[in-house]
Amino acid sequence: GQQVMQIPQYQHVQEGEDFTTYCNSSTTLSNIQWYKQRPGGHPVFLIQLVKSGEVKKQKRLTFQFGEAKKNSSLHITATQTTDVGTYFCAGHTGNQFYFGTGTSLTVIP
Amino acid sequence: NAGVTQTPKFRVLKTGQSMTLLCAQDMNHEYMYWYRQDPGMGLRLIHYSVGEGTTAKGEVPDGYNVSRLKKQNFLLGLESAAPSQTSVYFCASRTNGGDTQYFGPGTRLTVL
Repeated sequence: GQQVMQIPQYQHVQEGEDFTTYCNSSTTLSNIQWYKQRPGGHPVFLIQLVKSGEVKKQKRLTFQFGEAKKNSSLHITATQTTDVGTYFCAGHTGNQFYFGTGTSLTVIP
Repeated sequence: NAGVTQTPKFRVLKTGQSMTLLCAQDMNHEYMYWYRQDPGMGLRLIHYSVGEGTTAKGEVPDGYNVSRLKKQNFLLGLESAAPSQTSVYFCASRTNGGDTQYFGPGTRLTVL
């Protein structure tokens, strides 16, 4: 069945360092979404990528969708303590979303 | 505008008991989803609905049933709870053609 893998599972960075999480799907996706979940909170939508090779930026966050529409990445430049949380990708196929296992980001002040 | 709400927030059940989780949204969204979140496994789709009166199975539907009698409500039922159903349950909704899924605050369920 559909699988979406995400690495790394955990990442600890010093404040100001960069951070990247990678997402890989076993099948081609219609689109991919990224969510952030703060500890004890619920997932919050960040962005959706639809086109092959698409790159989108939100301030310090850069999102990429692979040419084959099977992989994606989220890069955060110069992390801040407010970036702490778990970042999930979600592959969209048909009417269903398949979430990655998430990357938990800890930012050390 | 409350967005997506879930009741209850916490629940403890004994094995074999039944319960219903309620999700309500006031955004007139067509699509609604039930997910479970377990440590290290991300969110997994249990059931979803593309409109009032319709439901469909997701990735992990066994042991759960759902109903969407009203557009704004999506109910998740556990007929005979098992310890393997201990999890955090999230409901989400979105418009038809929209990209953003709006999540509720979650229900933490423990089955003893």
